[in-house]
Amino acid sequence: EAGVTQFPSHSVIEKGQTVTLRCDPISGHDNLYWYRRVMGKEIKFLLHFVKESKQDESGMPNNRFLAERTGGTYSTLKVQPAELEDSGVYFCASSRGLPPYEQYFGPGTRLTVT
Amino acid sequence: AQSVTQPDIHITVSEGASLELRCNYSYGATPYLFWYVQSPGQGLQLLLKYFSGDTLVQGIKGFEAEFKRSQSSFNLRKPSVHWSDAAEYFCAVGARSNFGNEKLTFGTGTRLTIIP
Repeated sequence: EAGVTQFPSHSVIEKGQTVTLRCDPISGHDNLYWYRRVMGKEIKFLLHFVKESKQDESGMPNNRFLAERTGGTYSTLKVQPAELEDSGVYFCASSRGLPPYEQYFGPGTRLTVT
Repeated sequence: AQSVTQPDIHITVSEGASLELRCNYSYGATPYLFWYVQSPGQGLQLLLKYFSGDTLVQGIKGFEAEFKRSQSSFNLRKPSVHWSDAAEYFCAVGARSNFGNEKLTFGTGTRLTIIP
């Protein structure tokens, strides 16, 4: 089966611009997660979807970040307007929601805000 | 709130030598525990996991980890490293809940360098 895919792999934008990141989870996985790693720091949770509903969005930094999951399939994460501190690697993960609860990660999108 | 500490930012070992990467966690009950690896240019790959039962768990690529409740630790080990093991390793803890599928909390990672 295909793994979690993310697009683009790398994005360079200027401060104030908008960027949309996309994640396609493994087919049949109801749970979808977004994480972010800022340079040199730990990977931090952003939010968790169960199907199309937001289960937990406690990690979203502020209202410049908007996540959606259309029809419970792919998800997008929009940053508008982007700030310098938004630079980092954004990971998406998915899981079936059944034991053993493994989260499968995508390759990440490296976002650089200049 | 749960937390994970990986005290070693960077470790260098010789090829063929043994390896132990340290991980300590803070959580009120028995958590789910994971080790992930990220090779250059790749995503995070699950090495192994602990949910319950035997506290010594085996993973892929010859790795194992031992859950020690008394020390709140979940250290990763490999008896003999290969050059291809050079990567960044992340320990993570997941909360137990009715959903069983909650967010992961990661450590800051340990970068492993292998020298010939």
